[in-house]
Amino acid sequence: NAGVTQTPKFQVLKTGQSMTLQCAQDMNHNSMYWYRQDPGMGLRLIYYSASEGTTDKGEVPNGYNVSRLNKREFSLRLESAAPSQTSVYFCASSRGGSNEKLFFGSGTQLSVL
Amino acid sequence: QQQVKQSPQSLIVQKGGISIINCAYENTAFDYFPWYQQFPGKGPALLIAIRPDVSEKKEGRFTISFNKSAKQFSLHIMDSQPGDSATYFCAAPGGGSTLGRLYFGRGTQLTVWP
Repeated sequence: NAGVTQTPKFQVLKTGQSMTLQCAQDMNHNSMYWYRQDPGMGLRLIYYSASEGTTDKGEVPNGYNVSRLNKREFSLRLESAAPSQTSVYFCASSRGGSNEKLFFGSGTQLSVL
Repeated sequence: QQQVKQSPQSLIVQKGGISIINCAYENTAFDYFPWYQQFPGKGPALLIAIRPDVSEKKEGRFTISFNKSAKQFSLHIMDSQPGDSATYFCAAPGGGSTLGRLYFGRGTQLTVWP
C-alpha cells in the first residue's frame, strides 16, 4: 500500500545544477500536485495536473517545469537551481480535484548551495 | 488568487485543554474546507474536512466550525493530548481562474504539554 512515492528523499545541489524530482502514485488518481514548504510560509503550490496530459501553474512556478508522464507519474524539474529553491518539496494526488482529499508523499529535502 | 489567513502561528496548550485555530478565506468555487495535520519529517495528512451544508462537523475530539457569511472556519481540539503536537494547516480551493488549486494557510505549530 505505497500511496504516493517521492524520490529522492534528500538532495544537495550546487547553484546552477539541474535535477528532477520524481513522484508516482498507485491509487489511480486523476489529479497530482507539487508543493514546496518553507518555514512560516506554509505549503505553496508550484504546479498541478488536473488529469493526464494537462498541467497548470500554481502560486510559485518560476524556476520549475513539470511533466505528467502518465496517469501515475508527475515529475518536477529544476533547470538551474538557485539557493532560493532550498525547501522541502511535497508531491500529492487526489481522485478528483482540489475539493477532495489530497494524499501527500513523504517529501524531498532539497538544499541548494 | 485565493488568500487563506491562519492564526495563531504557534499555540501552546496544557494536556486536557482546548486548542483553537482559526482560518479566513477570500473566495472559493467549492464549499470544501479541510484541515491537514503534519508531524515532523512527514507529509501532511487530512485530519478533518467540512462541506458546509452544516455549520459544524465533529469527529472524535476534533471539530470544525464554519461561518459562511464571515468566510471563516476554525478547528477545535478538545481534551488536547501530547500526541496532538503537530503543525496544522487549513486550506481552501481556489475559484475562477484558480479553479483546481488548493490553497493552504501558513500553519499553526501546536505544542501540548503533559
